[in-house]
Amino acid sequence: SQTIHQWPATLVQPVGSPLSLECTVEGTSNPNLYWYRQAAGRGLQLLFYSVGIGQISSEVPQNLSASRPQDRQFILSSKKLLLSDSGFYLCAWSRDRGRYGYTFGSGTRLTVV
Amino acid sequence: AQSVTQPDIHITVSEGASLELRCNYSYGATPYLFWYVQSPGQGLQLLLKYFSGDTLVQGIKGFEAEFKRSQSSFNLRKPSVHWSDAAEYFCAVVSGGSYIPTFGRGTSLIVHP
Repeated sequence: SQTIHQWPATLVQPVGSPLSLECTVEGTSNPNLYWYRQAAGRGLQLLFYSVGIGQISSEVPQNLSASRPQDRQFILSSKKLLLSDSGFYLCAWSRDRGRYGYTFGSGTRLTVV
Repeated sequence: AQSVTQPDIHITVSEGASLELRCNYSYGATPYLFWYVQSPGQGLQLLLKYFSGDTLVQGIKGFEAEFKRSQSSFNLRKPSVHWSDAAEYFCAVVSGGSYIPTFGRGTSLIVHP
């Protein structure tokens, strides 16, 4: 069966510090991968998506970047965090245009202080 | 561009009462439609999905949803709500040749004992 792992679960970082959030998928190959951010009391904002190794599309220009160094690994990064980067970050994967649904990780709560 | 509207930000029901959460989408062709549930601090869990065929789809946890093309709606229902159903519910749509889901803003379900 397929599983998605996302870590860390919680992170508190000072303003100006770097960020690296990791997401890995097991049990499938060539998944579509997604990074979403969810601000408190709001919906999901798509940040990045990837359809293959090294292929990253950005939906919102911002202080963040993403990379896909391996088929089932998706990394969200920042060189210098801003207060506005605080939020709940969710990784997800899918196959076949979501025919089997979009499966989400358990999320990372990032607080920038 | 595809869009999803969940007109109710909050819904309060008594335990044992029936529930209907509304979802409307904006797109010409029949999209792929999804309902997700999110408990506080958790990722999103797929409740059910619709691609084609029978317009009434059954999901997990006793939920069902009905696709109505004429109304561009995909409302979620449950005949008898349990206290454990209290959570945030998101409707999502994928349309055309896209593989990127668009999520509604979410509806927060509050269940009174």
